[in-house]
Amino acid sequence: DGGITQSPKYLFRKEGQNVTLSCEQNLNHDAMYWYRQDPGQGLRLIYYSQIVNDFQKGDIAEGYSVSREKKESFPLTVTSAQKNPTAFYLCAAGSTNTGELFFGEGSRLTVL
Amino acid sequence: AQSVTQLGSHVSVSEGALVLLRCNYSSSVPPYLFWYVQYPNQGLQLLLKYTSAATLVKGINGFEAEFKKSETSFHLTKPSAHMSDAAEYFCAVTNRDDKIIFGKGTRLHILP
Repeated sequence: DGGITQSPKYLFRKEGQNVTLSCEQNLNHDAMYWYRQDPGQGLRLIYYSQIVNDFQKGDIAEGYSVSREKKESFPLTVTSAQKNPTAFYLCAAGSTNTGELFFGEGSRLTVL
Repeated sequence: AQSVTQLGSHVSVSEGALVLLRCNYSSSVPPYLFWYVQYPNQGLQLLLKYTSAATLVKGINGFEAEFKKSETSFHLTKPSAHMSDAAEYFCAVTNRDDKIIFGKGTRLHILP
């Protein structure tokens, strides 16, 4: 199957723990994105990468980190510095020419 | 700077009635505009997109949207609502040089 694969779908963590969310794509898109979704707030951009080994902060990057060592992979780490990490996280890939994004199924993180 | 405003966080229509979801944008250059749909606990799917060709854009599931430059609007419509249309809808804008900006979303409720 082609597309964006996010894992895990559900994740629970204790306060003070770092957690890494996986995002893999086989669509061969250069650009990849991480969004956070909270009820009533739409999608807020955390980080994005337009090319391997390069990435930029989005609107709410504090408490998060990413890497882009391969074109296919763009993992997101939610660190203990993120004060309110419970949310639904969406990864996307797309073309900067067309602006169209393809989304994964999302990962729901709950901090206990 | 780009921005998107979706009027109404919740919209309710009766089954068979017209669906109208409103989106206004601001952009310093001619934009690309998108409507995405999200079903519960899933990622977003592209409904339709405007990329400077025809101003009336037809998408999947019977939806369409009209780009009106003078009103800076890109409202989403469907002539006859179906129960399966119940979902959250997001309008998005990009100037193709950088990131894609999403509205806060409108949840569509279909009344039997």
